Amino acid sequence: DARVTQTPRHKVTEMGQEVTMRCQPILGHNTVFWYRQTMMQGLELLAYFRNRAPLDDSGMPKDRFSAEMPDATLATLKIQPSEPRDSAVYFCASVVGYNQPQHFGDGTRLSIL
Amino acid sequence: QKEVEQDPGPLSVPEGAIVSLNCTYSNSAFQYFMWYRQYSRKGPELLMYTYSSGNKEDGRFTAQVDKSSKYISLFIRDSQPSDSATYLCAISGTSYGKLTFGQGTILTVHP
Repeated sequence: DARVTQTPRHKVTEMGQEVTMRCQPILGHNTVFWYRQTMMQGLELLAYFRNRAPLDDSGMPKDRFSAEMPDATLATLKIQPSEPRDSAVYFCASVVGYNQPQHFGDGTRLSIL
Repeated sequence: QKEVEQDPGPLSVPEGAIVSLNCTYSNSAFQYFMWYRQYSRKGPELLMYTYSSGNKEDGRFTAQVDKSSKYISLFIRDSQPSDSATYLCAISGTSYGKLTFGQGTILTVHP
């Protein structure tokens, strides 16, 4: 079964440190999404790419978050500097074409101390 | 007001019960309606995917969409302990555009 792969699965670091999360979408999927999940806000869209081009990053705090897709097999989400309020589970999802559902990875559980 | 409202529960039912989960939404432009199931420490996995009003059945699961009322439902028949999870409704205005999720309903099915 093809899966979206996210690394690392867990990350604990101190505030002010740079955090990089990686996502390998399902091969052939041309649209990649980054979501953040917290108890208070639920699942929120941060950014998404189609054919590696950023389409919408309006959900992302621009001053500290950045998302890139250096090639078709890798998407990255960076936080610099990290803050305790960034503690959450970050999910990546990918989809191919029209009328197809998004497939999610198992997330990166991030704790900023 | 959130674009998608979902009662977070928690909901606890005995094994074999019929479960009804619901969401309401505010934007009539939404066309694609999904239900995801999320187990603890896992990503959401798609359960049901529908376009337009009506019912869609898959095994013990039935998804219902009423676009006139902006209301979607998921019914689980003969619920099992393995159905214990968080259920998220998700809605989109385009076929592979961004999803707007409900808050999620935590369901526990006890033996």
